[in-house]
Amino acid sequence: QKEVEQNSGPLSVPEGAIASLNCTYSDRGSQSFFWYRQYSGKSPELIMSIYSNGDKEDGRFTAQLNKASQYVSLLIRDSQPSDSATYLCAVKVDYKLSFGAGTTVTVRA
Amino acid sequence: GAVVSQHPSWVICKSGTSVKIECRSLDFQATTMFWYRQFPKQSLMLMATSNEGSKATYEQGVEKDKFLINHASLTLSTLTVTSAHPEDSSFYICSARGPLLAGVQETQYFGPGTRLLVL
Repeated sequence: QKEVEQNSGPLSVPEGAIASLNCTYSDRGSQSFFWYRQYSGKSPELIMSIYSNGDKEDGRFTAQLNKASQYVSLLIRDSQPSDSATYLCAVKVDYKLSFGAGTTVTVRA
Repeated sequence: GAVVSQHPSWVICKSGTSVKIECRSLDFQATTMFWYRQFPKQSLMLMATSNEGSKATYEQGVEKDKFLINHASLTLSTLTVTSAHPEDSSFYICSARGPLLAGVQETQYFGPGTRLLVL
């Protein structure tokens, strides 16, 4: 079983819609969770971090964490073409980050 | 602030040669740096953790004699791919653990990556 699992997509949404991304993880002891955005050919950039159950909002992004279900999600509201990228879920295990395979999002203009 | 650079950004080499990739933290000191490899359509896979002044810690399945890591200063870590073969062609990305952002417990700053093609 992979440590971090994501639907690979692609997820296609119209401009202005909500994109919903899901991630599950296997290590129940994980405490820190991150969402990174990676444009094609570029390195990842951090967009959200979350540490406690519930929702955390930052601009158009909302991260949701449910430790009991070992589930973390990312919502992108009012999706823009510039949001088209691969979104990587990362979980801190010990001192390291373990990444999911990423979900590719395409926002249609 | 908190910029990480990598050099070179692109490298093409012949099979059997060695390639060195540099990772630098430009405006902060990084006692810990990480080296990742990413194949097309796949996720980042941690290869090794590099700690300044000590030996790197390699992930299971990563050959330490093939991927030499040196972290000689607080701002520089190098990855040398020795006797490179076509299957080593990949996107190599380093990150450095740096100044904590407000509300973020673990801040890794990623370099722009180095694309290696072994012919």
